[in-house]
Amino acid sequence: DAEITQSPRHKITETGRQVTLACHQTWNHNNMFWYRQDLGHGLRLIHYSYGVHDTNKGEVSDGYSVSRSNTEDLPLTLESAASSQTSVYFCASSDLGLAGVKSSYNEQFFGPGTRLTVL
Amino acid sequence: AQKITQTQPGMFVQEKEAVTLDCTYDTSDPSYGLFWYKQPSSGEMIFLIYQGSYDQQNATEGRYSLNFQKARKSANLVISASQLGDSAMYFCAMVGEDTDKLIFGTGTRLQVFP
Repeated sequence: DAEITQSPRHKITETGRQVTLACHQTWNHNNMFWYRQDLGHGLRLIHYSYGVHDTNKGEVSDGYSVSRSNTEDLPLTLESAASSQTSVYFCASSDLGLAGVKSSYNEQFFGPGTRLTVL
Repeated sequence: AQKITQTQPGMFVQEKEAVTLDCTYDTSDPSYGLFWYKQPSSGEMIFLIYQGSYDQQNATEGRYSLNFQKARKSANLVISASQLGDSAMYFCAMVGEDTDKLIFGTGTRLQVFP
């Protein structure tokens, strides 16, 4: 069965360290997304990609970067971890929207989440 | 800019009763999609139901239905015959024209009691 996985599931790191969170999907979806979830904010979009070599900034992109070298993976890197980046991180993927057919949108499938603590 | 508002931080419902979770949205796009996701205490995000802005009928999926009132820009989730396993956080989200990005509300925590 197709799935979307994240690793690690839990991570504790120190301020200033570089951290990379992995996301791998076997749906063959073009779209991939990274969100962070914090109490009182719901899920906020960090970065997203509509295909290989395509990356875009989301609502809360400062301090994060992504790269898309293949369809299956979108790793999220925290260049220099800060305590404010302690959060739960979700990766998601969806099929390409029906360009030109503005009547249907595809659901996003979410990974299980990564709980990151920055001390 | 698009925005989703969920004004109920928490809701309680007795088992077997119906409950409505509110969601209002704001967008200038003529075409958009609305989604509801469930997040149980285990943390995963589970897709529940989808409503397209051009859909003439309200979406239904088993015990879930979406009360879509386009003029009022509301997309309330109705859960019929609540079960203890329905206790979770519920998020309303939308995607707009020319983009596949989801914008989420802050969520409603539903607690079902016996």
